[in-house]
Amino acid sequence: NAGVTQTPKFQVLKTGQSMTLQCAQDMNHEYMSWYRQDPGMGLRLIHYSVGAGITDQGEVPNGYNVSRSTTEDFPLRLLSAAPSQTSVYFCASSLLAGVNEQYFGPGTRLTVT
Amino acid sequence: AQSVSQHNHHVILSEAASLELGCNYSYGGTVNLFWYVQYPGQHLQLLLKYFSGDPLVKGIKGFEAEFIKSKFSFNLRKPSVQWSDTAEYFCAAYYNNDMRFGAGTRLTVKP
Repeated sequence: NAGVTQTPKFQVLKTGQSMTLQCAQDMNHEYMSWYRQDPGMGLRLIHYSVGAGITDQGEVPNGYNVSRSTTEDFPLRLLSAAPSQTSVYFCASSLLAGVNEQYFGPGTRLTVT
Repeated sequence: AQSVSQHNHHVILSEAASLELGCNYSYGGTVNLFWYVQYPGQHLQLLLKYFSGDPLVKGIKGFEAEFIKSKFSFNLRKPSVQWSDTAEYFCAAYYNNDMRFGAGTRLTVKP
């Protein structure tokens, strides 16, 4: 199993550009989520999904969109990048929400200039 | 709003010292609690978790945590740390599809 994969690993965007961070898992997990990690703030939940076709907002959803058309994939879209979105983004998955261990991807380091 | 607080931002210990990292949560209902560790350059990994039952839970690598409901706390402990325990430690609480992490505690163990 590859586990949770994320692409790209690094990205630099200009203010106003849009992009999609990719996340995929091959463990048939129902629950997937996106976090951003900022110094001194830990991980903050952006969006999550409890299964294909179902998504919901987390703690900091503004400026981000998600979709879950398949069990495996959970892309995160930045609609119009802002410097405040400079962060490290982690995708995670677990068999069920909040019960099983979450498996984290390697992260995407995003810089918005 | 629900929150998770970790009291220590950076802890520096010598090898063989005992460790206790504080964690408090603010949820009013029944929560599931976790401690994750992030070694330098690596993914977050689960150390241990608590759902119900014995409030003293044991995890990997000699770590344990105690759930004290009256104090809304879930402190992480290890009797004797090693240099390889140098990492960042995150407490997390799950309630109703909402997973909240604390800000993290950076542990540095001096050889």
